[in-house]
Amino acid sequence: TQLLEQSPQFLSIQEGENLTVYCNSSSVFSSLQWYRQEPGEGPVLLVTVVTGGEVKKLKRLTFQFGDARKDSSLHITAAQPGDTGLYLCAGPVPYNFNKFYFGSGTKLNVKP
Amino acid sequence: NAGVTQTPKFRVLKTGQSMTLLCAQDMNHEYMYWYRQDPGMGLRLIHYSVGEGTTAKGEVPDGYNVSRLKKQNFLLGLESAAPSQTSVYFCAGATRNTEAFFGQGTRLTVV
Repeated sequence: TQLLEQSPQFLSIQEGENLTVYCNSSSVFSSLQWYRQEPGEGPVLLVTVVTGGEVKKLKRLTFQFGDARKDSSLHITAAQPGDTGLYLCAGPVPYNFNKFYFGSGTKLNVKP
Repeated sequence: NAGVTQTPKFRVLKTGQSMTLLCAQDMNHEYMYWYRQDPGMGLRLIHYSVGEGTTAKGEVPDGYNVSRLKKQNFLLGLESAAPSQTSVYFCAGATRNTEAFFGQGTRLTVV
């Protein structure tokens, strides 16, 4: 059982569509991070959310941290082929900032 | 700006062989991590280090050993490789409560 559960596991959509990816846990996290990973590369940080209820926007990407800090979502508006990649959420284990755990990821494919 | 560099990038091992993966960082990170990535499993933490001379176990430490003799280097060793260790290995560095910076990965195949 993973500490962070992501859904959906796979998503294939047409260019211009909207989508939401979810990251859920039964544990409270002090912060959650979202990374994007492209084939053959390491993950690259997109955003960190820290405060319960926080919403952050990065161009067409909107990130939300749940009020109870147990879940997070990533919403992409008008997806483009360049958004294709593996999206991973990650966070420090509660009470142990040294360990970063990752969700299983959502593989997004945006077709032109 | 090298960042986090992993060597080698690719390797094929026979079952029972040993090898060491090197992670080098020039970002003055206190924390360093080794992960493995398998399809549908995300990244799973193997071992990590919170400073020079320290190491600790992560989620899947069995079959691996690590050493952090110098702050900038974090070594991952496989003493007797098994096919189950076929994976892509990522090293990352971080400072407390900041993002993790990743290397480009090492693709290891054990036959």
